[in-house]
Amino acid sequence: DVKVTQSSRYLVKRTGEKVFLECVQDMDHENMFWYRQDPGLGLRLIYFSYDVKMKEKGDIPEGYSVSREKKERFSLILESASTNQTSMYLCASSRPSHKETQYFGPGTRLLVL
Amino acid sequence: GDSVTQMEGPVTLSEEAFLTINCTYTATGYPSLFWYVQYPGEGLQLLLKATKADDKGSNKGFEATYRKETTSFHLEKGSVQVSDSAVYFCALKGQAGTALIFGKGTTLSVSS
Repeated sequence: DVKVTQSSRYLVKRTGEKVFLECVQDMDHENMFWYRQDPGLGLRLIYFSYDVKMKEKGDIPEGYSVSREKKERFSLILESASTNQTSMYLCASSRPSHKETQYFGPGTRLLVL
Repeated sequence: GDSVTQMEGPVTLSEEAFLTINCTYTATGYPSLFWYVQYPGEGLQLLLKATKADDKGSNKGFEATYRKETTSFHLEKGSVQVSDSAVYFCALKGQAGTALIFGKGTTLSVSS
């Protein structure tokens, strides 16, 4: 059974803190993604990675960075958390073809106070 | 650029009613089309997909047909159940693209 796991389901942080969200997939997928989900806005792509150490900006990369040191792991970093980054964060992975399904983790609900 | 438009919710139905959630898209070439479902407190799960024109995706009683001529991928189910209550997302992946492009989601609430 395919699996994408995220390090935390719920996280509470203070403004200005550095925040790490971790994602691990066990399907040997080349592509990994970080999305943000907000009510009324749907899912928006923050960053994606198509290989180890490779990354591409998505639609809303400002205030975020990512790291992919191993194929199975993709980290999202909030360098200095702000209240407008309070959101649900979803990680996903897939094979490269446009026909391939993207598999999602359970999400991390982040609250920045 | 590529985009997906799906009907606004919430959609409220009684058990055993017929469901349609409209989805239209804008894309160059021949994208793949997907419906994902999100149950309360969970991540997104693939419901069904279609990767070429006229393909019909189906799963758990849900169906959607890839219509190139109307650029649509409407989701249907003949008889909904309370357990179908969730948020439904239409999405596309362009031929040259890597990431999914999502609609804003439609909340379905089914009462007994």
